[in-house]
Amino acid sequence: GQNIDQPTEMTATEGAIVQINCTYQTSGFNGLFWYQQHAGEAPTFLSYNVLDGLEEKGRFSSFLSRSKGYSYLLLKELQMKDSASYLCAFHSGGYQKVTFGTGTKLQVIP
Amino acid sequence: GAGVSQSPRYKVAKRGQDVALRCDPISGHVSLFWYQQALGQGPEFLTYFQNEAQLDKSGLPSDRFFAERPEGSVSTLKIQRTQQEDSAVYLCASSLGGRERERTFGSGTRLTVV
Repeated sequence: GQNIDQPTEMTATEGAIVQINCTYQTSGFNGLFWYQQHAGEAPTFLSYNVLDGLEEKGRFSSFLSRSKGYSYLLLKELQMKDSASYLCAFHSGGYQKVTFGTGTKLQVIP
Repeated sequence: GAGVSQSPRYKVAKRGQDVALRCDPISGHVSLFWYQQALGQGPEFLTYFQNEAQLDKSGLPSDRFFAERPEGSVSTLKIQRTQQEDSAVYLCASSLGGRERERTFGSGTRLTVV
C-alpha cells in the first residue's frame, strides 16, 4: 500500500537549524515534494527530488534516499516567518496523483 | 490574474444544503486539480482535469460530489446534500502541463457544515 509519515509538530529557535523527516512507502515512485503552508493560506512549492542526494536552495535543502524511502527538509538560519506547516508528498504512478503527508507544524520561537 | 483564485473564501452551509465552489486557474493552465484538506491534515486528492476532460475522479468521496470544467478554464466543485463530515478546506491547483513542480495552489474555500 501507500503510506507517508512525518512528525506532527516541531519547535526550533530563531537562527537555528531544523530538520524535518519524512518516510514513505509506495510503488512506482516518481519523486518527492516539500511544500510550505502558512495557516489559512495555499501550499507553496519548496522542492522536488527525483534522484538520491541533497539539493540546496538558499536556506532550504531537501534530501532523498529512494532505497530507504526517506527524505528530509533542512531549514537553516530560521526566521520567525518560517513558522508554518511543511508538507511532504510523493508523486507515484503514471500521471498527476500526489499523496500528501499530514504535515509538520513548525513553530519558531525567539 | 496572476494566481489561482477560489471563491467563496468561506462558506457556511446547513446540513443538507447544496454548495458550489469555484476555481479560476491561471490563464492557459491545462491541468486542474481539486483537493480536500481537513483540519490538521494534508491535502487529499479529489479529482483531476486536463482541459475540459475529467481524467480522474477516483478521490471523490461519494456521488454527492461532482466537478466540472466545461470550457477547460473555470472549474466548479459541487457538493449535494452536504453533511458535517464535508467540512474542510477545498483547494484548487493548476499547472501549465503535466509537471507537478509547476502546480500552483489557490488559497482554498473553507466549508463549514452546521
